[in-house]
Amino acid sequence: RKEVEQDPGPFNVPEGATVAFNCTYSNSASQSFFWYRQDCRKEPKLLMSVYSSGNEDGRFTAQLNRASQYISLLIRDSKLSDSATYLCVVNPSWASGSSNTGKLIFGQGTTLQVKP
Amino acid sequence: DAGVTQSPTHLIKTRGQQVTLRCSPKSGHDTVSWYQQALGQGPQFIFQYYEEEERQRGNFPDRFSGHQFPNYSSELNVNALLLGDSALYLCASSTTGGGDTQYFGPGTRLTVL
Repeated sequence: RKEVEQDPGPFNVPEGATVAFNCTYSNSASQSFFWYRQDCRKEPKLLMSVYSSGNEDGRFTAQLNRASQYISLLIRDSKLSDSATYLCVVNPSWASGSSNTGKLIFGQGTTLQVKP
Repeated sequence: DAGVTQSPTHLIKTRGQQVTLRCSPKSGHDTVSWYQQALGQGPQFIFQYYEEEERQRGNFPDRFSGHQFPNYSSELNVNALLLGDSALYLCASSTTGGGDTQYFGPGTRLTVL
């Protein structure tokens, strides 16, 4: 079983649609979660961190369900510029009780294509 | 303020050769992590350097080695290249104890023929 699993898609949606991505992780003691965005042939860029209470940044909402080991990202009112690959990322380093060593574990990524 | 920089941008090598990739971290960052991203996959953690030492390592063979210099810049070396080493190699920098936000460089695209 992969440590972080995502549906690779692609998700093809019209402009203005609401789209949700899901991700599951295997290490139940993981403490740190993120969504990164990666444009074609570019580097990943941090989109947002994910907190237990859920958090929102404009049109983007991230949720964490620790009991189900499940992370989600909701994008409302999709724009053409949202077309990219969205990477679910977990940092399990806190689980060992050691200081954060920054090892990030990435899912395969979910591809979103927003159509006019 | 310069972000993370990597060189070269692209590289073509043949099987069995050796390659060195370079990374300069974002200003103020002292920790460098390296990742390998194969086509259609998420990045895979190779190793992390802090205080000129390898602090953590992913599931990569000893053919992959690295170094960190006193100015925090880093090199990734790969020996005895295999076709399967063809990938985008990403460097990420961060600060110790400053949370775990990692900033990625543009990557080096390595093709092994």
